[in-house]
Amino acid sequence: TQLLEQSPQFLSIQEGENLTVYCNSSSVFSSLQWYRQEPGEGPVLLVTVVTGGEVKKLKRLTFQFGDARKDSSLHITAAQPGDTGLYLCAGAGDSNYQLIWGAGTKLIIKP
Amino acid sequence: KAGVTQTPRYLIKTRGQQVTLSCSPISGHRSVSWYQQTPGQGLQFLFEYFSETQRNKGNFPGRFSGRQFSNSRSEMNVSTLELGDSALYLCASSWQGAQGYEQYFGPGTRLTVT
Repeated sequence: TQLLEQSPQFLSIQEGENLTVYCNSSSVFSSLQWYRQEPGEGPVLLVTVVTGGEVKKLKRLTFQFGDARKDSSLHITAAQPGDTGLYLCAGAGDSNYQLIWGAGTKLIIKP
Repeated sequence: KAGVTQTPRYLIKTRGQQVTLSCSPISGHRSVSWYQQTPGQGLQFLFEYFSETQRNKGNFPGRFSGRQFSNSRSEMNVSTLELGDSALYLCASSWQGAQGYEQYFGPGTRLTVT
């Protein structure tokens, strides 16, 4: 059974600080996605990483896929209150038709 | 393109009743997945349909069922509702493209069972 361990589960920091969220697995994924979800809404796809070692940037967000395609990280620089939300990672594993989901990181950015 | 739509957005039912939720995927997407999300439980996979066939199924009791129509619209049904079925039910349509397998979510249906 493929699992994705996401850490930390909860993070509360001040505006302007930097943070990193991790997704780790012992399994190899063909691709990995990061989503952000706001309360009462569906998750919104932020980025997909496909190649081992790949780095993608989305404004102040930097996403990295591990060289072995078993882990990924999301780094936010100078966090803002608008970054508050639940961040989820999901990997496409053995079956390309089903994503393996991390448990999520609840991020709160205090003004 | 229009996004994934789900109806209704909110629903209140009584224990023992049944409920049907509807999902319309993004035009051109043939795969629809359903998830249950409760506080502290993350996203729990219910099932996935592709071209009117259930292709994957999660670990939920038989009270949870679904179907997909020829226009890719999907419905899920929960019979004999229990208090523990209160959750946000999310539908996602899927696309296998150059960036791999990606899912796009609707806003969800918030089901409250009393």
